[in-house]
Amino acid sequence: EPEVTQTPSHQVTQMGQEVILRCVPISNHLYFYWYRQILGQKVEFLVSFYNNEISEKSEIFDDQFSVERPDGSNFTLKIRSTKLEDSAMYFCASSEEAGGYEKLFFGSGTQLSVL
Amino acid sequence: SQQGEEDPQALSIQEGENATMNCSYKTSINNLQWYRQNSGRGLVHLILIRSNEREKHSGRLRVTLDTSKKSSSLLITASRAADTASYFCATDERTNAGKSTFGDGTTLTVKP
Repeated sequence: EPEVTQTPSHQVTQMGQEVILRCVPISNHLYFYWYRQILGQKVEFLVSFYNNEISEKSEIFDDQFSVERPDGSNFTLKIRSTKLEDSAMYFCASSEEAGGYEKLFFGSGTQLSVL
Repeated sequence: SQQGEEDPQALSIQEGENATMNCSYKTSINNLQWYRQNSGRGLVHLILIRSNEREKHSGRLRVTLDTSKKSSSLLITASRAADTASYFCATDERTNAGKSTFGDGTTLTVKP
């Protein structure tokens, strides 16, 4: 079965630094998402992206976050100035149709640790 | 209760027994999905049930959806030790297509 791939699997950074989390969605998928899971908490929606623009974003997705599809295959999440509370597992997902009607395929996640 | 809230929070059973997990939600939905997560790993999609469906099967999994009660259940039959994981329901609301809201999850332990 096709997979969503995420790199790196682990990222350690200093508070205030910028990080870019990378994702390669499934090739024929059109809808892309970022979710995060703080240790011991539920999975939280961050942002959805379609047709090269943000479709929806949560309250968490403030100005320090941005997403980009720089080419035909990658989908990135940038955190501009990391905070301690940004430490979490970040999941990328993609779907063929809008997520309300079709299952999401999740990557295995990037564990971000902000020190 | 919050959207996509599972119960029980934790469930421990013997191999071969059935495991039932429940999920309740508050708003109208397009669909409801169940996911599995092994410790520290990614989310694996198990099954999607649409709002106009009442029951769905996939292998040893059976999912029911009762939109009048705003609840769903996931039944795993003949459980195996390898089924040990956390199970989450996620709802896609009619007004927020594309945004899945996850519950807190049920941690299932299947003892060999």
